[in-house]
Amino acid sequence: GQQLNQSPQSMFIQEGEDVSMNCTSSSIFNTWLWYKQDPGEGPVLLIALYKAGELTSNGRLTAQFGITRKDSFLNISASIPSDVGIYFCAGHPGGGTSYGKLTFGQGTILTVHP
Amino acid sequence: GAGVSQSPSNKVTEKGKDVELRCDPISGHTALYWYRQSLGQGLEFLIYFQGNSAPDKSGLPSDRFSAERTGGSVSTLTIQRTQQEDSAVYLCASSSRTGKETQYFGPGTRLLVL
Repeated sequence: GQQLNQSPQSMFIQEGEDVSMNCTSSSIFNTWLWYKQDPGEGPVLLIALYKAGELTSNGRLTAQFGITRKDSFLNISASIPSDVGIYFCAGHPGGGTSYGKLTFGQGTILTVHP
Repeated sequence: GAGVSQSPSNKVTEKGKDVELRCDPISGHTALYWYRQSLGQGLEFLIYFQGNSAPDKSGLPSDRFSAERTGGSVSTLTIQRTQQEDSAVYLCASSSRTGKETQYFGPGTRLLVL
């Protein structure tokens, strides 16, 4: 089945630093989503991307939908302690009988040191 | 408004027993999804319901797993004859319509099979 490769697997950064993580796919996705999951909680949607080349911001977060439709990037600027958590990318091919289900990356564990 | 709710939040059971997990989607959402998250892993798609259409069961790992959605709202995921490898967090999500896959997740049910 489809696979998403998310990197890095984990990051240890100092408060105030910028963070970048990315996700690549072996096949095309027409929707890319970025989620954050806190311990004991379900994933919360951060940014949704629906168009190749799209660049979308949500506060200190910026995500881009790659031109090839096989990758996406998430950047966090000026990190703060509450950014700690697991970040997941998710993709959706769009259309057909597979409409609905998301394919998730393995997650990036972010630790922010004050 | 209320988000996706799941019950129980935690479930400990003995190997071989059956378990039922419940999901209440966001009111008015026509699509409902079940995912499984094993420790330190991304989310694995299990099953997807959309309106009155036949569900997409392509992610169910074995015939011990089944799910129903009654009245287009509440869903129950049933695992029969549980095995230790079934231990995971079971997440439910709902969305308002296909085409814009902004899926909203519940907090999950943490299942431990002893």
